[in-house]
Amino acid sequence: AQTVTQSQPEMSVQEAETVTLSCTYDTSESNYYLFWYKQPPSRQMILVIRQEAYKQQNATENRFSVNFQKAAKSFSLKISDSQLGDTAMYFCAFHGQGGSEKLVFGKGTKLTVNP
Amino acid sequence: DAGVIQSPRHEVTEMGQEVTLRCKPISGHDYLFWYRQTMMRGLELLIYFNNNVPIDDSGMPEDRFSAKMPNASFSTLKIQPSEPRDSAVYFCASSLRGGGYGANVLTFGAGSRLTVL
Repeated sequence: AQTVTQSQPEMSVQEAETVTLSCTYDTSESNYYLFWYKQPPSRQMILVIRQEAYKQQNATENRFSVNFQKAAKSFSLKISDSQLGDTAMYFCAFHGQGGSEKLVFGKGTKLTVNP
Repeated sequence: DAGVIQSPRHEVTEMGQEVTLRCKPISGHDYLFWYRQTMMRGLELLIYFNNNVPIDDSGMPEDRFSAKMPNASFSTLKIQPSEPRDSAVYFCASSLRGGGYGANVLTFGAGSRLTVL
């Protein structure tokens, strides 16, 4: 079964600084999708960024980018120019292509952006 | 599109009572998921449907939990009887399979916070 590990339960960063959140996963599949979701205090789960495993190029969405290392099964999220509104729980998630539609989540990292 | 709509937003009930949570997925999406979020266990998949048919209910904790999807625009998650350990936030999400931009991306509802006293 796939597992997703986020080793940093909490992190903090100063406004305008850059922060990187870590995620590792375990799978025997060769093709899959990886996601980062954000959950602000409102508790709404919001998609931040998506990476397809067969694409070597790292995904980027404005201030958010990933460092996808397939061989190492690592998928970190970099937030540049951090803003107060980035304060939230961040969840890494894995979606295999082996038949199940199940999205497996990590336990999350609580990010606080300080003014 | 209004997104995935869940109701109620908050529910407080007493142990032993029946609880029904409701979900309206995004029109055109062919997958619907029910997740439960707790501090201890994080986000757990309870069950998911494809074209209104339950595909994987291995995450349903016990017989007290049941889920239905009578049509493409409505699903319910029912707990009967409820227990204090069922207190959690329950999320409904929907997605569209099959490739193209947005495929395999789950869109979540705002969640239903359940408190069982």
